[in-house]
Amino acid sequence: QKEVEQNSGPLSVPEGAIASLNCTYSDRGSQSFFWYRQYSGKSPELIMFIYSNGDKEDGRFTAQLNKASQYVSLLIRDSQPSDSATYLCAVIPDSWGKLQFGAGTQVVVTP
Amino acid sequence: EAQVTQNPRYLITVTGKKLTVTCSQNMNHEYMSWYRQDPGLGLRQIYYSMNVEVTDKGDVPEGYKVSRKEKRNFPLILESPSPNQTSLYFCASSSTGAPNEKLFFGSGTQLSVL
Repeated sequence: QKEVEQNSGPLSVPEGAIASLNCTYSDRGSQSFFWYRQYSGKSPELIMFIYSNGDKEDGRFTAQLNKASQYVSLLIRDSQPSDSATYLCAVIPDSWGKLQFGAGTQVVVTP
Repeated sequence: EAQVTQNPRYLITVTGKKLTVTCSQNMNHEYMSWYRQDPGLGLRQIYYSMNVEVTDKGDVPEGYKVSRKEKRNFPLILESPSPNQTSLYFCASSSTGAPNEKLFFGSGTQLSVL
């Protein structure tokens, strides 16, 4: 079983709608959680990180963390065509330095 | 400009021919790491280094070597490449490797082993 699981998609979202991405992880000791965006042929770029249970908002992005359920999500509000990309969930397990990624969810925002 | 530089960008080689992919950062970062990215598997960590002369294995270290003799450079060495090492490789760095730090990625190296 992969340590970090994501639906591969593609997730098709109309422009202006909310995109909801989910991620589950297996290591209960994980403390830090990240969302990266990767455009085709490019390197990943950090969107958000979250450590505490609950919601964290940054502009149109909201990350949600539920450690009891080992679940982290990303909401993209008012989706734009420029949001079309693959979104990678990443987790730092119980030791610093290590970073585990999910396979990514492809998001396609349609005009 | 702050950046992580990987070379080469593309590399085609044959099985068993030793190769090195270079990675250099100009941000005085302590932490550096290597990842490979394969379709359906996402990014998988190969090795990481918390500082000079300190390296540790990630999730998929088999068939790879690294060295960290100086802070700015973290080369990835494939002593005897095999076709299953055909992949897209990324180097990344951050200031100290602390969980709240942004990870800076290089542009990637597409490796094909024939």
